[in-house]
Amino acid sequence: AQKITQTQPGMFVQEKEAVTLDCTYDTSDPSYGLFWYKQPSSGEMIFLIYQGSYDQQNATEGRYSLNFQKARKSANLVISASQLGDSAMYFCAMRERNTDKLIFGTGTRLQVFP
Amino acid sequence: DVKVTQSSRYLVKRTGEKVFLECVQDMDHENMFWYRQDPGLGLRLIYFSYDVKMKEKGDIPEGYSVSREKKERFSLILESASTNQTSMYLCASSSGTTTNNEQFFGPGTRLTVL
Repeated sequence: AQKITQTQPGMFVQEKEAVTLDCTYDTSDPSYGLFWYKQPSSGEMIFLIYQGSYDQQNATEGRYSLNFQKARKSANLVISASQLGDSAMYFCAMRERNTDKLIFGTGTRLQVFP
Repeated sequence: DVKVTQSSRYLVKRTGEKVFLECVQDMDHENMFWYRQDPGLGLRLIYFSYDVKMKEKGDIPEGYSVSREKKERFSLILESASTNQTSMYLCASSSGTTTNNEQFFGPGTRLTVL
């Protein structure tokens, strides 16, 4: 069965520093997609970044990059130059093959301090 | 700007009541989803729909039903609310046609069943 694991319930980082949020996944399908979402305290889920299993390059979106290591089945989110507004819950998710269904991890709460 | 709206941000109901949670999207998306979010469990899929009048069970459909009479609207129904259905409910939609097929989320409904 497909599964997403986020082992860090909480992380702290100082403003302007970089932080890595871990995500590992399990699937036997060769075709899949990996997503990261941010959920501020207001509750809405905000899409951050996507990585396809066949993408040759690691995805980047502004200060967000995805460290995709296919052999290790990991898809860690790297946030560079953290800002106070980055404090939120972060969810890793995987799309099941041939569907639009997402399987979510349990999330990591990131707190950025001055 | 893409938008998914949910009928209520906060809702308090009594055990045994019939509860309707409404979700509307204005993006002409084919796919719509209902999740519940609980601390430490992440987001879990309740039901999803790929087309009008079509529905499929997700991972935790027990105690819920759905209705999709129009493309833009997807309703979640709790036939007889119970205290263990106290949770945050998130609706999402996706086009099904883009490469990453990201899901766009509504602001969530925090339901309390007394």
